[in-house]
Amino acid sequence: GAVVSQHPSRVICKSGTSVKIECRSLDFQATTMFWYRQFPKKSLMLMATSNEGSKATYEQGVEKDKFLINHASLTLSTLTVTSAHPEDSSFYICSASRLSIPFSNTQYFGPGTRLTVL
Amino acid sequence: AQSVTQLDSQVPVFEEAPVELRCNYSSSVSVYLFWYVQYPNQGLQLLLKYLSGSTLVESINGFEAEFNKSQTSFHLRKPSVHISDTAEYFCAVSNSGGSNYKLTFGKGTLLTVNP
Repeated sequence: GAVVSQHPSRVICKSGTSVKIECRSLDFQATTMFWYRQFPKKSLMLMATSNEGSKATYEQGVEKDKFLINHASLTLSTLTVTSAHPEDSSFYICSASRLSIPFSNTQYFGPGTRLTVL
Repeated sequence: AQSVTQLDSQVPVFEEAPVELRCNYSSSVSVYLFWYVQYPNQGLQLLLKYLSGSTLVESINGFEAEFNKSQTSFHLRKPSVHISDTAEYFCAVSNSGGSNYKLTFGKGTLLTVNP
């Protein structure tokens, strides 16, 4: 159990366009989902935390109007990179934590999405 | 604020040798501790975690880690590594209280197992 999927796994887009990345918990309900960005040879940087049915909480320095997060259900969160620029190229990873205690303290990660902006 | 320090950015070892990946943390509150493994171009997989109870935790593939509160450490060990253990390993910490278990990651240690 505790499988998280992301779609797409890779995406290439033109500068100025928007890209949507989906994160799904396949076999459990996730109250909270997290979005991370990983630069080459760097650790993961938390971008935002989203709870189902409420607005996402963004980390300092992350533009909420550029990185739109929607957590529409207990199994789906989406990240939309709006007006993408080449510097937005990165590996984006989501994670989800289970609804039920005691599992709510562990994050389960998706396989990641490689975004390349030309 | 919390922080995680992984002292070694790269650890090369030969197959069947023992390995230790070091992790130290800083926190003013009680914590949960995690080790995640990342294979190339993939997401993170949970390797093992310490939440409470026994300070020695084990994974199904032979790794173990010991929580040492006095030294604020959570080092990862394996007595005999395989080529397939080559990957990036991340240590992470979260608060043990509250309802939002945000993770703070270390910078990662690249374990390379050579034949």
